Amino acid sequence: GQQLNQSPQSMFIQEGEDVSMNCTSSSIFNTWLWYKQDPGEGPVLLIALYKAGELTSNGRLTAQFGITRKDSFLNISASIPSDVGIYFCAGRSYGGATNKLIFGTGTLLAVQP
Amino acid sequence: DAGVTQSPTHLIKTRGQHVTLRCSPISGHKSVSWYQQVLGQGPQFIFQYYEKEERGRGNFPDRFSARQFPNYSSELNVNALLLGDSALYLCASSLGQTDGTQYFGPGTRLLVL
Repeated sequence: GQQLNQSPQSMFIQEGEDVSMNCTSSSIFNTWLWYKQDPGEGPVLLIALYKAGELTSNGRLTAQFGITRKDSFLNISASIPSDVGIYFCAGRSYGGATNKLIFGTGTLLAVQP
Repeated sequence: DAGVTQSPTHLIKTRGQHVTLRCSPISGHKSVSWYQQVLGQGPQFIFQYYEKEERGRGNFPDRFSARQFPNYSSELNVNALLLGDSALYLCASSLGQTDGTQYFGPGTRLLVL
């Protein structure tokens, strides 16, 4: 199935470090979403972005909707052990009549105390 | 307020059998989407239902079907199960048909033997 390019594939960091991950698409999106998924559970919505250039924060998390509408990034500042999990980006195509989301390949984050 | 709920949480079936998965959206949400997530990948879009009608379908065979009820809950049915249908099945709810922001349930883990 179709998936977005998400990088890095995995990150192993020390507690307190900042983290950055990004997502790119070959097509234009009108919505970018970032989710965190713990093993065996459903994705939890972290941040939703609706306009090109939009920069939105949620606590230690900051995400931006790229001005080309084809990319987005997520930053996590001062990481803590509970940040461990898989982070997915997801986009909704511009002009679509459905809510279909296309997901990225995921970034596995491990945080060492 | 309750989030998206799904049942059952886990299910074991054998090849050729049929399965029905259930989802209740967040109160007030009228759109339900179904996704399949195989191990190591991001979720893949199967269906979207809004106001009891199918509004979108992903690249899945006709063995997959769904419906939405007047209370906006939904069922996903899979006939003639194959080993490759083993996955986490996720339900996501949103307010409207094209409201990209989707909230996921905990999923149903299906194992086909």
